This record gives sequence, structure tokens and C-alpha cells, in this order.
Amino acid sequence: GDSVTQMEGPVTLSEEAFLTINCTYTATGYPSLFWYVQYPGEGLQLLLKATKADDKGSNKGFEATYRKETTSFHLEKGSVQVSDSAVYFCALLDTGRRALTFGSGTRLQVQP
Amino acid sequence: ETGVTQTPRHLVMGMTNKKSLKCEQHLGHNAMYWYKQSAKKPLELMFVYSLEERVENNSVPSRFSPECPNSSHLFLHLHTLQPEDSALYLCASSQVPLAGGGGTDTQYFGPGTRLTVL
Repeated sequence: GDSVTQMEGPVTLSEEAFLTINCTYTATGYPSLFWYVQYPGEGLQLLLKATKADDKGSNKGFEATYRKETTSFHLEKGSVQVSDSAVYFCALLDTGRRALTFGSGTRLQVQP
Repeated sequence: ETGVTQTPRHLVMGMTNKKSLKCEQHLGHNAMYWYKQSAKKPLELMFVYSLEERVENNSVPSRFSPECPNSSHLFLHLHTLQPEDSALYLCASSQVPLAGGGGTDTQYFGPGTRLTVL
């Protein structure tokens, strides 16, 4: 079945540091890939997405590239801010399915 | 109001109570979802409604009963819950691609209802 594996957190960084959160996936079809972010006490917000191999999703300084050869969709940001502190979820939507398959989430803590 | 809204935001109930969670989407989407987020498990799908028909039920106990009266509203009726049902319940909506095109299948989430079962 489909699965998503994320690096375990928490990830603790200083402000303006470079961020990478690893995500790899297993899917039977040709999935779309997503990153969602959850701020404390809130629901999930779509951060970015990519629908086919080599697509790059980007939003608010975050980027992720759909790498079919390595089945990965790593999230990166060049310079994090304290306001980026949240839990980040990688997810996939496989061909013909309705439900997202989520990773376990990675908590990011950015210190001033 | 825009996006996906959920009420109540917080709910505390006893095991013998009956309560309902409400979700409303203002995005003109044709599919709605219930997900459960508990502390020790990844987010997991509970139910999917597409064009107001339930198309997926992920082996959810019968003490959870969904209702989708129209494409904008989704309810989750709760009765005789257990303490392990305490979790954040998230609603989402999307525009499922139809014949002829249109829709991206991207799911947009509401803020969730934090449920505590005593």
C-alpha cells in the first residue's frame, strides 16, 4: 500500500538557518505530492504541491521537487523565521484514490 | 466566510453523550472528508463523500456516523464514544475531477474540532 516516511523531529534551528525536511514515499500509481503545515492549535494548511515528476512546488520561500527516481519530495527553505515554527506533513494522493496518505509529521522549532 | 469552517472548535463529552460535529465548505467543492488526528498515530482518513455519496469508509466504528445533506455541509454524529476517541477531527474538501475536466483534487482543511471524551 501507499506510505509516506518523514524524518523524525523535532528539528531545532536558529533563525535564518537553512531547512531541509526529508520525505520519501511508496505508491502504486502516479501520485500527487503535498506539503501541509499545522501551526499550534490550528488545522492543516496547504503549503505547496507537485503533480508530476520533476515539478517543483513553491510557496512562502519553501520549495520541494518531485523526484521520481528517488521517490522523494524533500522540503527546503533557505532562511527560516521564528514564525515558521510548526508541524510539517508530507502527503501523497495516489492515482484513482480519494484519501491523502500522510507522513507522521515533523515538528520544526526556530529559535531567535 | 471563506474556506472550510468547523464547529465547535472544542468539545468535551461523556461516554454516554450524543453530539455532532459540523463542517461547512465555502469553496464550491464536490467532495468532503473526515480525518482523525490523534497524538500517537498519523492522520487517518475516516470518511469520504463525493457528490454527496459516501464513497469511502475506512473501517470506522459505528459509534461515528457521518451525514452529508448537500455538497457544502458535512456532519459527524457521535454516540457512546470511548476515551481513546479523543483527538482532533479535521474536515477537508476538494474538487474531484469530473468527466470533461476541471478540479485538482487538492484538499483544503478546516481548523478542526478538538474532542475530549471523559
